[in-house]
Amino acid sequence: TQLLEQSPQFLSIQEGENLTVYCNSSSVFSSLQWYRQEPGEGPVLLVTVVTGGEVKKLKRLTFQFGDARKDSSLHITAAQPGDTGLYLCAGARKAGNNRKLIWGLGTSLAVNP
Amino acid sequence: GAVVSQHPSRVICKSGTSVKIECRSLDFQATTMFWYRQFPKQSLMLMATSNEGSKATYEQGVEKDKFLINHASLTLSTLTVTSAHPEDSSFYICSARDPAGGYGYTFGSGTRLTVV
Repeated sequence: TQLLEQSPQFLSIQEGENLTVYCNSSSVFSSLQWYRQEPGEGPVLLVTVVTGGEVKKLKRLTFQFGDARKDSSLHITAAQPGDTGLYLCAGARKAGNNRKLIWGLGTSLAVNP
Repeated sequence: GAVVSQHPSRVICKSGTSVKIECRSLDFQATTMFWYRQFPKQSLMLMATSNEGSKATYEQGVEKDKFLINHASLTLSTLTVTSAHPEDSSFYICSARDPAGGYGYTFGSGTRLTVV
């Protein structure tokens, strides 16, 4: 059972277009993180959202956490070829003394010049 | 910011041999580290949680005798793939969280293991 549904799984767009990636769950997370990963590298943290309804902006990237802290979205405005990569969302849930990350399946984004 | 160093970045080994992968937190202490496996263009699959000074916690379906984890210090965790087989070929990544760095996790650069 995939606890964190991420969509779309693959996306190929032209430079300058906008796009939105969604992560949805029926469970509540204490926080939700977005990562970007390039081939052959580890994921790099983009942002963490903690508060329900929170919106964070990182240049052309806008992240939103749902009011109920069960879902999140990543919107990219005027995508550029440098945005190409695998985008991963991960919800944090307490597991004993640790926080366990529940991962979405990832969105493979290709931005064509 | 927090840095996690992972070595080697690539390794090719023969079937039946063992391979050790190291994960170091360079500028913070990590009582807990995480080991993941990743297939091409897919998400991360958590294999085990490495706890300093105690036994690792393995996810369901992960063979603890095959994937040996040692976390002997607050800055080093190792994953040893024992008696490697071609189906063990994959991208292995470790991560840790700097307690002073907020909620986010820092990942190593990964190890591409190829078993021939």
